Amino acid sequence: GENVEQHPSTLSVQEGDSAVIKCTYSDSASNYFPWYKQELGKRPQLIIDIRSNVGEKKDQRIAVTLNKTAKHFSLHITETQPEDSAVYFCAALSWGKLQFGAGTQVVVTP
Amino acid sequence: NAGVTQTPKFQVLKTGQSMTLQCAQDMNHNSMYWYRQDPGMGLRLIYYSASEGTTDKGEVPNGYNVSRLNKREFSLRLESAAPSQTSVYFCAGTPSLSSYEQYFGPGTRLTVT
Repeated sequence: GENVEQHPSTLSVQEGDSAVIKCTYSDSASNYFPWYKQELGKRPQLIIDIRSNVGEKKDQRIAVTLNKTAKHFSLHITETQPEDSAVYFCAALSWGKLQFGAGTQVVVTP
Repeated sequence: NAGVTQTPKFQVLKTGQSMTLQCAQDMNHNSMYWYRQDPGMGLRLIYYSASEGTTDKGEVPNGYNVSRLNKREFSLRLESAAPSQTSVYFCAGTPSLSSYEQYFGPGTRLTVT
């Protein structure tokens, strides 16, 4: 089955700096890669996603890149703000099921 | 339009007790999912239902059963709870075959003593 690895597990950034989270996947048939943000005690919420026929997608301060050959994808957050502090999960869709990474705790310090 | 709802929000069980976690959606989702979330392990799929009337095992199905009662409702049952089932449980749904986005419910925090 699909295996998704996510790094780093924790990330501390100064407000205004950029944050990058990286994920790798194992199943070359995976074709959809969402990123979820989860605040403490809340449900995961989709923030951006990318399909396998696209290499990059941007939505305001967040962007996702996908390298199908290398089987890795990354989340980029620019101009970080305190409200970006949360746990971020990557996932890969394989055979109709999402396989999630273990998560990255992002802390934005003022 | 409440989206995906789950009951209860919190539950404490003793080892060996049984209970059913309820999930309902009003977004006309075809597919529905049950996940558990443990610290440092992300979300792991327990069971899913690709459409009304079908259910399939996910990554960690042991100790659980599910019922897709109708298109709106997908329940998760623990027949004999164990401390290893202490976790936060999330239900999710996907609107259609052409959409992959999963919408999550608010979660149920379960503690088994």
